[in-house]
Amino acid sequence: DAGVIQSPRHEVTEMGQEVTLRCKPISGHDYLFWYRQTMMRGLELLIYFNNNVPIDDSGMPEDRFSAKMPNASFSTLKIQPSEPRDSAVYFCASSFGTGIIGYTFGSGTRLTVV
Amino acid sequence: DQQVKQNSPSLSVQEGRISILNCDYTNSMFDYFLWYKKYPAEGPTFLISISSIKDKNEDGRFTVFLNKSAKHLSLHIVPSQPGDSAVYFCAAMITGTYKYIFGTGTRLKVLA
Repeated sequence: DAGVIQSPRHEVTEMGQEVTLRCKPISGHDYLFWYRQTMMRGLELLIYFNNNVPIDDSGMPEDRFSAKMPNASFSTLKIQPSEPRDSAVYFCASSFGTGIIGYTFGSGTRLTVV
Repeated sequence: DQQVKQNSPSLSVQEGRISILNCDYTNSMFDYFLWYKKYPAEGPTFLISISSIKDKNEDGRFTVFLNKSAKHLSLHIVPSQPGDSAVYFCAAMITGTYKYIFGTGTRLKVLA
């Protein structure tokens, strides 16, 4: 299995632009998570899905952020409009079942908003 | 409010010595804990876990200790190797919620 695949690896965009981050989870995994890593807050959970349905989006910072999972093999995290404070590394992770053995993370997308 | 805290942003240890990474949590409902290791430009990878019904779990050079009364867990690496140099995150979950809350990470540097 190729693991969790995220694209792009790096994204540089201007303030006010729309940014879309993409994730392909491991086949057969029924949970998908979006995390954001910053120096100050570490890994913050933004939203997670179970069987393509959003379960908990309490970590989404504000209405500028949205996430979708149209099918079991694809998810997007969109920021519109982007702001410099959104600059961070965004990770997608997937798991099967309860996650007792942890999640499998993708390599992340480093977002820079200038 | 940070429910899972790693108060040491960085740690340096000589090769062959013990590395001890600490993690504190505030929510007494957490009952499952993980440690993840993260190399630069890669995603975090699972290292070791512990359930709240235990106070210790070992896997090779890695041992995790849990002190529920103090709401504290620690990761011991013995002996430390240069390849262990990475950022280590602890994470906690309330079983059934399916989501882990992560700490801010500790950067470990093992000196050859």
